[in-house]
Amino acid sequence: GQQVMQIPQYQHVQEGEDFTTYCNSSTTLSNIQWYKQRPGGHPVFLIQLVKSGEVKKQKRLTFQFGEAKKNSSLHITATQTTDVGTYFCAGLGAGSYQLTFGKGTKLSVIP
Amino acid sequence: NAGVTQTPKFQVLKTGQSMTLQCAQDMNHNSMYWYRQDPGMGLRLIYYSASEGTTDKGEVPNGYNVSRLNKREFSLRLESAAPSQTSVYFCASSEIRSSSEKLFFGSGTQLSVL
Repeated sequence: GQQVMQIPQYQHVQEGEDFTTYCNSSTTLSNIQWYKQRPGGHPVFLIQLVKSGEVKKQKRLTFQFGEAKKNSSLHITATQTTDVGTYFCAGLGAGSYQLTFGKGTKLSVIP
Repeated sequence: NAGVTQTPKFQVLKTGQSMTLQCAQDMNHNSMYWYRQDPGMGLRLIYYSASEGTTDKGEVPNGYNVSRLNKREFSLRLESAAPSQTSVYFCASSEIRSSSEKLFFGSGTQLSVL
């Protein structure tokens, strides 16, 4: 079945440093979604990427979808303590109706 | 507008006991889902309901049953709880089951099976 690998599993950064998490799928994806889960909270939708090579920005967050639609990344510029949480990618395989979640990257920000 | 509401928030069971996790959404969404979240494992789909009256197995359905009671409500039942079912359970909904639908999650149920 489809697998979505996400790295790193954990990342500790000093406040103000940049952060990137990467997502790789074993199969071509129709689209990829990103979610954020604050400690003790529930996943909250951030964005969806659909087109090959697509890049979207939300303030300090930049999301990219690879040309082959098999990988994606989330980059945060100048992290803040409010960025703390676990970031999940979730891929939808071509012809599938089930999202497959990566295992997430847990971000800690040291003030 | 409450979104997706799950009850209970916490539950402790003994091995072999049964229980039902309740989920309701007020967004008039057609599709509903049950996920479990274990440390280091991400979110794994247990069951989903694409529309009222239909249910389908997800990645990890063994030991669970579901009921789509109506368009608003989707319950998850553990008939005979096992320690391996200790987890955080999230209900989610989406407008329709399509390739472009984002998921709205409930606040979760933390279940411990002793």
